Amino acid sequence: AQTVTQSQPEMSVQEAETVTLSCTYDTSESDYYLFWYKQPPSRQMILVIRQEAYKQQNATENRFSVNFQKAAKSFSLKISDSQLGDAAMYFCALTSNSGYALNFGKGTSLLVTP
Amino acid sequence: DTEVTQTPKHLVMGMTNKKSLKCEQHMGHRAMYWYKQKAKKPPELMFVYSYEKLSINESVPSRFSPECPNSSLLNLHLHALQPEDSALYLCASFPLAGRRTEAFFGQGTRLTVV
Repeated sequence: AQTVTQSQPEMSVQEAETVTLSCTYDTSESDYYLFWYKQPPSRQMILVIRQEAYKQQNATENRFSVNFQKAAKSFSLKISDSQLGDAAMYFCALTSNSGYALNFGKGTSLLVTP
Repeated sequence: DTEVTQTPKHLVMGMTNKKSLKCEQHMGHRAMYWYKQKAKKPPELMFVYSYEKLSINESVPSRFSPECPNSSLLNLHLHALQPEDSALYLCASFPLAGRRTEAFFGQGTRLTVV
């Protein structure tokens, strides 16, 4: 079984500042993928960033980057230069290359203040 | 075309009604998913079809009946639902050939059971 844990139900950040969202996971697989998805009030799930477990280099997408600590099974998301449009629920998710389940953490609600 | 299309967007049904949700994708993805999501909660995996065969059924009540008629189409048949089944129902698709790059989500069907 694979599990994803997000321990921060809510986070708040000021515009232009940096915030880090935490995620830990557990899996017995060696070939797996981690994702951060954003769900704004429209409830459309949008991929923010992905990390393949075999890649040692941390993924980066513009203002979004991850800190992937494989041994610690930790996968945190850093949002730099936060914008009002970043306000949303953020879900950490996990799947493996040998299975089909895509499991989500409980989510972190991010509030961005002017 | 990187879209997953779900119809209808909204559905109100009585507890004795029979209705169906539809999901379509034309990206050649061979894994398709149904999730149930309550407000401010993470998506809960219900069913996974891989190569048009049911791979995962997360102990979902039989009043929900999935169907995958072909590799592009996924249905969820609803019968004798309860008010607690009111939720957003999300469909997603995932490539199985090569690397698991991203799960694409539809906009969801907002279901209300009265």
